[in-house]
Amino acid sequence: TQLLEQSPQFLSIQEGENLTVYCNSSSVFSSLQWYRQEPGEGPVLLVTVVTGGEVKKLKRLTFQFGDARKDSSLHITAAQPGDTGLYLCAGSSGGYQKVTFGTGTKLQVIP
Amino acid sequence: NAGVTQTPKFRVLKTGQSMTLLCAQDMNHEYMYWYRQDPGMGLRLIHYSVGEGTTAKGEVPDGYNVSRLKKQNFLLGLESAAPSQTSVYFCASRPSRAEAFFGQGTRLTVV
Repeated sequence: TQLLEQSPQFLSIQEGENLTVYCNSSSVFSSLQWYRQEPGEGPVLLVTVVTGGEVKKLKRLTFQFGDARKDSSLHITAAQPGDTGLYLCAGSSGGYQKVTFGTGTKLQVIP
Repeated sequence: NAGVTQTPKFRVLKTGQSMTLLCAQDMNHEYMYWYRQDPGMGLRLIHYSVGEGTTAKGEVPDGYNVSRLKKQNFLLGLESAAPSQTSVYFCASRPSRAEAFFGQGTRLTVV
């Protein structure tokens, strides 16, 4: 079983602060995705990274895929209350058929 | 555009009862998935399907069965519900090598 461990599990910060969420595995993934989930809703895709060392930016969010394609990070600059939610990483392997999700990071941004 | 629709949205079962959760997608996606989400554990894959008529086991398949008789539908069955199956269940679909689209979830309580 491929495991994706996320850290921290919970994060409560003030508006305007920066933060980084980590996603680590001992397995290599063909691609890695980050999702955000709000209460009562299903996860919604933020980004997909496929190349080792790849960096993608989405406004104030920066995503990085590790060189060995075993880990990833999500950095948020100047967090806003609208960033509050559960952040999930997900890895694909085995011909992209199987998608394994991480344990999740619950972020709360206080105004 | 409906996307991924799950029915029902809420259900309370007594131990030993059976039920079927329905997932329907209108995007002509090949791959469909059933996950369960429990506090602090992210999303765990129960079963998945890579095409009509095919199914495969995920990480936590025990106590569940699935069927994909039509491409647009993926059914999850509980033959004899147990309190350990109390969870939020999410269905997802995706074309190959692309993002997964999730339903809004089914909250199941087994008493």
